[in-house]
Amino acid sequence: EIVLTQSPDFQSVTPKEKVTITCRASQSIGSNLHWYQQKRDQSPKLLIKFASQSFSGVPSRFSGSGSGTDFTLTINRLEAEDAATYYCHQSSSLPVTFGQGTKLEIK
Amino acid sequence: DVQLVESGGGLVKPGGSLRLSCAASGFIFSTYTMNWVRQAPGKGLEWVSSISAGSSNIHYLESVKGRFTISRDNAKNSLYLQMNSLRAEDTAVYYCARGFSTTPFEYWGQGTLVTVSS
Repeated sequence: EIVLTQSPDFQSVTPKEKVTITCRASQSIGSNLHWYQQKRDQSPKLLIKFASQSFSGVPSRFSGSGSGTDFTLTINRLEAEDAATYYCHQSSSLPVTFGQGTKLEIK
Repeated sequence: DVQLVESGGGLVKPGGSLRLSCAASGFIFSTYTMNWVRQAPGKGLEWVSSISAGSSNIHYLESVKGRFTISRDNAKNSLYLQMNSLRAEDTAVYYCARGFSTTPFEYWGQGTLVTVSS
């Protein structure tokens, strides 16, 4: 099973800041890494697919990069509505797995 | 618009059974692999099971093998999860999600809560 480790677990940030969340895989997964946003009491929503491709309708301030074992989700000019927990997900091999999540608090 | 609506959750005693359903609309259901993903209270996401478009490929999380059965009815645009021998650790919100095993889960339902407790 591929283990995904996100950092940090929690981050408190101010609006307009730039935020970087990392996801490290226990073995190489190519570009088969996706990012989701889950707001309180809502279901997850896809933000970035295959490491760097934006999903339809996602604001341009969200971007992703990386390949192999190290990946990054970047949020430019953070907005209050970005308060959420962010998860990475690998689809390289079964069982597909998720990172433990990064909770973003907006000050 | 793609819509996935889960139902069937509830309170069940340890050892009991429950059948979850997911009604799909807004896309050609019979051409997509479907999944169940769960989230224990206050915890992260955990993939549970997937079923291919024609039901020929089915996969399960190791801890639910032999207890859970995924199925689908393409004529009814519906996905199911039969859960038997339920344990306290199965307590979670269960989401259905559209996506092949090698792709992201592009769309998710709102989830249905399963609570296993005596």
